[in-house]
Amino acid sequence: NAGVTQTPKFRILKIGQSMTLQCAQDMNHNYMYWYRQDPGMGLKLIYYSVGAGITDKGEVPNGYNVSRSTTEDFPLRLELAAPSQTSVYFCASSGTSGRMSYEQYFGPGTRLTVT
Amino acid sequence: KNQVEQSPQSLIILEGKNCTLQCNYTVSPFSNLRWYKQDTGRGPVSLTIMTFSENTKSNGRYTATLDADTKQSSLHITASQLSDSASYICVVSAGRDDKIIFGKGTRLHILP
Repeated sequence: NAGVTQTPKFRILKIGQSMTLQCAQDMNHNYMYWYRQDPGMGLKLIYYSVGAGITDKGEVPNGYNVSRSTTEDFPLRLELAAPSQTSVYFCASSGTSGRMSYEQYFGPGTRLTVT
Repeated sequence: KNQVEQSPQSLIILEGKNCTLQCNYTVSPFSNLRWYKQDTGRGPVSLTIMTFSENTKSNGRYTATLDADTKQSSLHITASQLSDSASYICVVSAGRDDKIIFGKGTRLHILP
């Protein structure tokens, strides 16, 4: 199993540009999450999904969109990039226990800089 | 307000020494507490997970303790190795709405 994979690893965007961060998992997990991690801060939940076709907002959803058309994939879309979105983005997934707080497996992260 | 506070913010110890990291939380109702290790430039990896009824859990040289009465947890690392240099993150889940709260982490540096 590859686990949770994320692409790209690094990206530099200009203000106002758009991009999609890709996330895929091959563990047949129902739950998937997107977090951002700012320097010296804890991870903050952006969006999550409890299954294909179902998404919900987390703590800091503004400026982002997600979709979940398959169990495996959970892309995160930035429509109009702003410097405040400079961060490291982590995708995670967790198993089918029926509880969101079941053990999470994280991807390697995408480091995004908006200038 | 649900919060997870970790201390110290950073710690430097010599290889071979033991250390203990602290986590205090105000999350209610409590569901479970996890410790993650995050190497530089990588995603967090789970070390231990404890529910309300568990007060200690080990994973090799890592031992986590939980006092649900005082809402405190600690992560003890025995005979530290250079590869233990990383950030250690305490994560607490609330029972009712499955909210997950991350601490800011403790940055541990092991010197040879």
